[in-house]
Amino acid sequence: GQQVMQIPQYQHVQEGEDFTTYCNSSTTLSNIQWYKQRPGGHPVFLIQLVKSGEVKKQKRLTFQFGEAKKNSSLHITATQTTDVGTYFCAGQGVSGTYKYIFGTGTRLKVLA
Amino acid sequence: DTAVSQTPKYLVTQMGNDKSIKCEQNLGHDTMYWYKQDSKKFLKIMFSYNNKELIINETVPNRFSPKSPDKAHLNLHINSLELGDSAVYFCASSQDPSDQPQHFGDGTRLSIL
Repeated sequence: GQQVMQIPQYQHVQEGEDFTTYCNSSTTLSNIQWYKQRPGGHPVFLIQLVKSGEVKKQKRLTFQFGEAKKNSSLHITATQTTDVGTYFCAGQGVSGTYKYIFGTGTRLKVLA
Repeated sequence: DTAVSQTPKYLVTQMGNDKSIKCEQNLGHDTMYWYKQDSKKFLKIMFSYNNKELIINETVPNRFSPKSPDKAHLNLHINSLELGDSAVYFCASSQDPSDQPQHFGDGTRLSIL
């Protein structure tokens, strides 16, 4: 079945450093979503990517969808303590199923 | 106003008991979901309903039974609770099942003694 892996599993950065998490699907995706979950909180939708090679920016966050629509990345420039949390990608397959498979998540800690 | 609300927030109960978790959304969405998040933070889809019709039914024990009385509500009933059922259960909703953002509730933390 479809699997979505994320690396790294954990990342500790100093405030001001950049951070990137990578998402890899075993199958081609129709679209991919990114979510952020603060400690003790619930996942919050950040963005959706649909087109091959798409790049979207939200302030310090840059999201990319691979050309083959099997991988994606989230890059944060100059991290802040408010960026702390777990970042999940979630991919929807092309096979006609509606379900989103969530990635394994990357837990980010930002040291002040 | 809370968009997706779940009750209860915490549920502590003994093995073998039966319990229910309720979810309501006031976003006017057609699709609702149940997810399970384990202690390692893995988020796994369990069920999804679109307009009261079951469209996703993952491989979960049949002790878990969802019910959607209307588009705005999706409940989860669990029979004969086991230790491995301890997790956080999230309800979510989206406009429709295809390429739409999902809005999550605050979660129900279920602890089995």
